[in-house]
Amino acid sequence: KQEVTQIPAALSVPEGENLVLNCSFTDSAIYNLQWFRQDPGKGLTSLLLIQSSQREQTSGRLNASLDKSSGRSTLYIAASQPGDSATYLCAVGTASKLTFGTGTRLQVTL
Amino acid sequence: GAGVSQSPRYKVAKRGQDVALRCDPISGHVSLFWYQQALGQGPEFLTYFQNEAQLDKSGLPSDRFFAERPEGSVSTLKIQRTQQEDSAVYLCASSRDRGHEQYFGPGTRLTVT
Repeated sequence: KQEVTQIPAALSVPEGENLVLNCSFTDSAIYNLQWFRQDPGKGLTSLLLIQSSQREQTSGRLNASLDKSSGRSTLYIAASQPGDSATYLCAVGTASKLTFGTGTRLQVTL
Repeated sequence: GAGVSQSPRYKVAKRGQDVALRCDPISGHVSLFWYQQALGQGPEFLTYFQNEAQLDKSGLPSDRFFAERPEGSVSTLKIQRTQQEDSAVYLCASSRDRGHEQYFGPGTRLTVT
């Protein structure tokens, strides 16, 4: 059974810092990996999708990497802003479903 | 274009009542998924449809949970004889096809009293 772990569970950084969120998974037989953000009381917003054959994806200030053989992904956020404050969820995908971690709660302070 | 929509956004049910939660996927999306999210946890998979066929229902927690997508578009998740442990946010997602990026709706928050 796939298990997804995210470290740290919570993180507080001052505005402008670069930061890295970590995700690890136990079964490397995956289709893809998706990173989401979730604001309190809201649904999930897709940030980046990495296919299993890819090593990284970039969107604006976000960069996600995937090392399937070691079962790891990282989400790098450059020049953090208060608007980045949210919970970030990593999800590992097969053909039929996503398996989620419990998330990293990020707070960016002024 | 419109994203995934869900209704109702909030539902309060007395223990033992039946509830029905609706999901409208993105137009043209073949795959549809239901997830359950407890407070402070990541979403947990419930079931998956490819068009009108329910191909995976391994995550449904009991036979009180039933999902359908009869015309391959709108889907309904039904929970019979609700229990307190059913209280959660129910999320629907759709994707262009299996293995593609999933887009989520805002969720339905179910509270069973």
